[in-house]
Amino acid sequence: SQQGEEDPQALSIQEGENATMNCSYKTSINNLQWYRQNSGRGLVHLILIRSNEREKHSGRLRVTLDTSKKSSSLLITASRAADTASYFCATDALIQGAQKLVFGQGTRLTINP
Amino acid sequence: DSGVTQTPKHLITATGQRVTLRCSPRSGDLSVYWYQQSLDQGLQFLIQYYNGEERAKGNILERFSAQQFPDLHSELNLSSLELGDSALYFCASSPLWGPYEQYFGPGTRLTVT
Repeated sequence: SQQGEEDPQALSIQEGENATMNCSYKTSINNLQWYRQNSGRGLVHLILIRSNEREKHSGRLRVTLDTSKKSSSLLITASRAADTASYFCATDALIQGAQKLVFGQGTRLTINP
Repeated sequence: DSGVTQTPKHLITATGQRVTLRCSPRSGDLSVYWYQQSLDQGLQFLIQYYNGEERAKGNILERFSAQQFPDLHSELNLSSLELGDSALYFCASSPLWGPYEQYFGPGTRLTVT
């Protein structure tokens, strides 16, 4: 099963509202990353938070990390139509002796005008 | 634009055939990763190369193979294609190996008929 799992699977909100997506993972991590994917396009890196950090900001994005609960959240404030995309969390996992990124199934975010 | 290029953009082929997908990483990046994205399986890590050497394998089928050349571009070879191989194939690159920020290409959409 996936190392990281996002919740909810889909989210639909009105433009201007805040959107919160959550990610839970199973094993200890070195860092957690969030990516955005517009329909059929490549993933775009949004933010990386290290295991010793609790919160990180980038523009309208705020990411929190709770290693005791093995969870992270991505908050997008003042959403815009252009934020419509799928959002993935990615955590590092040991695969065949190497630390690799493992992606969750993603949250599909729709911003309604 | 991530700086990662992939060709071709679209590929339509028949079952049983063999295709080659190409990827050029960002300038200076030594690591190349290949991912498969399908509706039912999500984003699956296939294989990683670092500076010409295979570093890690994920859920890559035996019918699939890859290599990274001295100029650091990479090719993913898919043979004996089946209908279930229809998917988006992404290449990503990063400066180092490990669970760091990855830069994704636009993807190759493979349709097997």
